[in-house]
Amino acid sequence: GENVEQHPSTLSVQEGDSAVIKCTYSDSASNYFPWYKQELGKRPQLIIDIRSNVGEKKDQRIAVTLNKTAKHFSLHITETQPEDSAVYFCAASPNAGGTSYGKLTFGQGTILTVHP
Amino acid sequence: EADIYQTPRYLVIGTGKKITLECSQTMGHDKMYWYQQDPGMELHLIHYSYGVNSTEKGDLSSESTVSRIRTEHFPLTLESARPSHTSQYLCASSDPKWGVPSGGVHNEQFFGPGTRLTVL
Repeated sequence: GENVEQHPSTLSVQEGDSAVIKCTYSDSASNYFPWYKQELGKRPQLIIDIRSNVGEKKDQRIAVTLNKTAKHFSLHITETQPEDSAVYFCAASPNAGGTSYGKLTFGQGTILTVHP
Repeated sequence: EADIYQTPRYLVIGTGKKITLECSQTMGHDKMYWYQQDPGMELHLIHYSYGVNSTEKGDLSSESTVSRIRTEHFPLTLESARPSHTSQYLCASSDPKWGVPSGGVHNEQFFGPGTRLTVL
C-alpha cells in the first residue's frame, strides 16, 4: 500500500519568514495530494491540493509543488503569521478503482509554530 | 447546513464497558471513514465504507467494529473498552470526483469535530 513520509516533524519560524514542509510517497499510482491544517482542538481542514497533472498550485500565501518523477511534494507558506501555527498533514490518494478508491494515506504531521 | 456530526464529543468510561461513537453526515457523501488520532499526531485510518452495507478495515488494526445501514450514519463500536483505546476518534466523509478537464481524482475529505475517549 501507499506510504507517505513527512518532514520535519516540528518547524519553528519567525513571523514573516517562509515555511516549507516536504512529503514523499511510495505508490506511483497516487494522483491526488491534499494538505490539511489542524488547529489545536479543531478538526483537520483542507487548505490546498494538487493533482498529478499539475506541477505547482498557489493560493495567496500558500503553494504546493509536485515532482511525480521523484515522488515528492511540498507545501510552501510565505509571510507566515501567528495564525498559521497549527499541525499540517500531507496526504496521497491512490488511483481510482478497486478498494483503495477514495482512501487518503496521511503523513505523520508537522507542528508549525510561528513566533510573533 | 451540510456538516458532519459526532457524539459524544468527550467520553470517560471504565474498562470493560461497551461504547458506541456516533457519526452522522448531511453532506450526501457515499464514502465515510474513521480515524484514530493521538493529540497532534498522525491520522490512522481504522475503518472505511464506500456505501450502505459496505465496510472495510483500515490500515491500523483496531478492535472496534463499524456498521453502515444508512448512508448518513456510520457508528463505531467498542465491545469492551480498554485503557489502550484512549485516543481521539475522527469521522470523515468524501465524494471523490474525477477532475474535468484537468483530470485526476479530487477527494477532499471533510472531518467531524471528533470524540475524545478516555478509558480508565
